[in-house]
Amino acid sequence: GAGVSQTPSNKVTEKGKYVELRCDPISGHTALYWYRQSLGQGPEFLIYFQGTGAADDSGLPNDRFFAVRPEGSVSTLKIQRTERGDSAVYLCASSLTFRDSQGGYTFGSGTRLTVV
Amino acid sequence: RKEVEQDPGPFNVPEGATVAFNCTYSNSASQSFFWYRQDCRKEPKLLMSVYSSGNEDGRFTAQLNRASQYISLLIRDSKLSDSATYLCVVRSEGGTSYGKLTFGQGTILTVHP
Repeated sequence: GAGVSQTPSNKVTEKGKYVELRCDPISGHTALYWYRQSLGQGPEFLIYFQGTGAADDSGLPNDRFFAVRPEGSVSTLKIQRTERGDSAVYLCASSLTFRDSQGGYTFGSGTRLTVV
Repeated sequence: RKEVEQDPGPFNVPEGATVAFNCTYSNSASQSFFWYRQDCRKEPKLLMSVYSSGNEDGRFTAQLNRASQYISLLIRDSKLSDSATYLCVVRSEGGTSYGKLTFGQGTILTVHP
């Protein structure tokens, strides 16, 4: 596609429920990143994929968070047993390769998750 | 201590003013540096890269001081449309974190008539 697409744009869920957030990167981009942004803060790294594999998942806060990218394109961030503290905007970014010297990653418009 | 630190502001300046933002980073390993701009309820967008020799893009000038681990952004002749949050960003260049962006908290700029 023309840009990074994230769905849904907004998600309200009850505490304890399971949610899936989807990211469709720019066609041909092999590197994909997930970030989380809380109000008044900069985006915080969660995980990144090079192809199908998670190259670095050190930012995932705990084992309730999991992400997959089975075919090296679309990625899904999964959150189990959601907590109110998970409320944030979840951003996805992609780049041609993880060694892209330009550094300018293209972000999607994000999924605003609200846990009530 | 945060890896990337910025003064959150807010900075309120009149149109035409010159404003400067500063940022410090803690990881002295070889890295790349950027300024991103984020409008309210929008995604971050790359404003400019920051090079060791300093670089300019129109009204925007970025500087890097590796010895002091300090990055700056200067905006001249501020426009109303410059109102946004400016994010200082450091990119890892080694190990398993290659390519990972670390963001500062962001500095809020409001330009008023």
